[in-house]
Amino acid sequence: ETGVTQTPRHLVMGMTNKKSLKCEQHLGHNAMYWYKQSAKKPLELMFVYSLEERVENNSVPSRFSPECPNSSHLFLHLHTLQPEDSALYLCASSQDQRQTNEKLFFGSGTQLSVL
Amino acid sequence: GESVGLHLPTLSVQEGDNSIINCAYSNSASDYFIWYKQESGKGPQFIIDIRSNMDKRQGQRVTVLLNKTVKHLSLQIAATQPGDSAVYFCAESLVYNFNKFYFGSGTKLNVKP
Repeated sequence: ETGVTQTPRHLVMGMTNKKSLKCEQHLGHNAMYWYKQSAKKPLELMFVYSLEERVENNSVPSRFSPECPNSSHLFLHLHTLQPEDSALYLCASSQDQRQTNEKLFFGSGTQLSVL
Repeated sequence: GESVGLHLPTLSVQEGDNSIINCAYSNSASDYFIWYKQESGKGPQFIIDIRSNMDKRQGQRVTVLLNKTVKHLSLQIAATQPGDSAVYFCAESLVYNFNKFYFGSGTKLNVKP
C-alpha cells in the first residue's frame, strides 16, 4: 500500500462515453501527477498539479481533462476517447519541493480499454 | 529532450545470483535519479534513489551506481529472489523542473528458481 488509491481499477468505455478516473493520496503531499503507461513504452507524463494549480500540461489532447479540487484528490475526466488511448493510467504524488526533486509515490493505476 | 534508455529489455538470472540492470541517460543536467520496480497489475514501486552529488548509494540488497562521465546508471540486486521478478525502470529529473521525471522503457527481470 503506497498511500495512493486509484479507482476504478479497470474501465471499459466506448468512444462516445464520458467517464472519470479518481485518485486520492493519504500522504500529506502537495503535488499530484497523471502518467500514461502504454504497452512497451516509457511512462508518459500528462499533467502535474502543485498546490492544486496545474503546472504542467504535457501536450495532452483536450479529450483528457484533469481536475484537482484539493491537494488530496485528483481526477481525470475522459470524453470521446480513441482506441489508442487504451492504456494504464497512473496517478502519483510527491512532496512538492521547488528547490529539490522528490520521489513519486504511485497508485496501482486504472487499466482503461476504449472500444 | 531528455531520453532515458535501458540496454537490456529482458534479464534472466538464477535465484541467489546477483543481478545488474543498466540504464543510459542523455541529459547531463539531470541531477536526480530513481529506480522503480513494477510487478504485474501494480503501479511502480520506489526502490532507491540517488542525487548527482553521489556516485553510489546502498539500500537493503540493492545498490545504485551513478557514472556521470558516461551518463550511466545501474541497479545491483544482491542474492536475487523470486520476488524480485518484475519490470525495473530508471527515471531521471532536473532540479527546478516541477519534479518532472523521464522514464526508461524498462527491463524485465526473470528469476529462475
